[in-house]
Amino acid sequence: SAVISQKPSRDICQRGTSLTIQCQVDSQVTMMFWYRQQPGQSLTLIATANQGSEATYESGFVIDKFPISRPNLTFSTLTVSNMSPEDSSIYLCSAMGSSYNEQFFGPGTRLTVL
Amino acid sequence: AQSVTQLDSQVPVFEEAPVELRCNYSSSVSVYLFWYVQYPNQGLQLLLKYLSGSTLVKGINGFEAEFNKSQTSFHLRKPSVHISDTAEYFCAVSDVEDFNKFYFGSGTKLNVKP
Repeated sequence: SAVISQKPSRDICQRGTSLTIQCQVDSQVTMMFWYRQQPGQSLTLIATANQGSEATYESGFVIDKFPISRPNLTFSTLTVSNMSPEDSSIYLCSAMGSSYNEQFFGPGTRLTVL
Repeated sequence: AQSVTQLDSQVPVFEEAPVELRCNYSSSVSVYLFWYVQYPNQGLQLLLKYLSGSTLVKGINGFEAEFNKSQTSFHLRKPSVHISDTAEYFCAVSDVEDFNKFYFGSGTKLNVKP
């Protein structure tokens, strides 16, 4: 299994600003993902973070709004840009296990935009 | 794309009673199936998974689930719940041919009462 940490655990931000969330895995993994969990709802995949290349975004999510970096096999960042109150959510990082058929999740970053 | 339906948004149950949380998915293609648990203010933790073989899968904390291909279901059960099982439970599905992409249900909040 993989142990995943995220920073910050929570933040309160002003409209129009940006926040970068960090995700650290305790072992090298091939696949990393970013999800959004809006209040009272399920998880929605934002993008797959690809090491050494641009992230792959799901429908409804764009790079300008959610730029992602993945400089190596254990680390990724998600930036939420030009935030509005609608961006208030929990943002979760996950990593694919070595057996390629389960995902491990970080504890999440709880973002509130005022 | 898969869709995952968790019919019960909330399930109240008394301690030591049995519980079943229902999950149905849309596609008849070969799938991997998962149940995750999310405790308050925490990330998702894998409870159990079905990849192949026996349709009855046992997981952590005394939970088990049964894969029913004809009914495209993967219901989660526990014969006797504890207060500590109070959490939100998410069913997830991935296609065997596209296992990177997980589809999550809307979640079921299990509330165990003394």
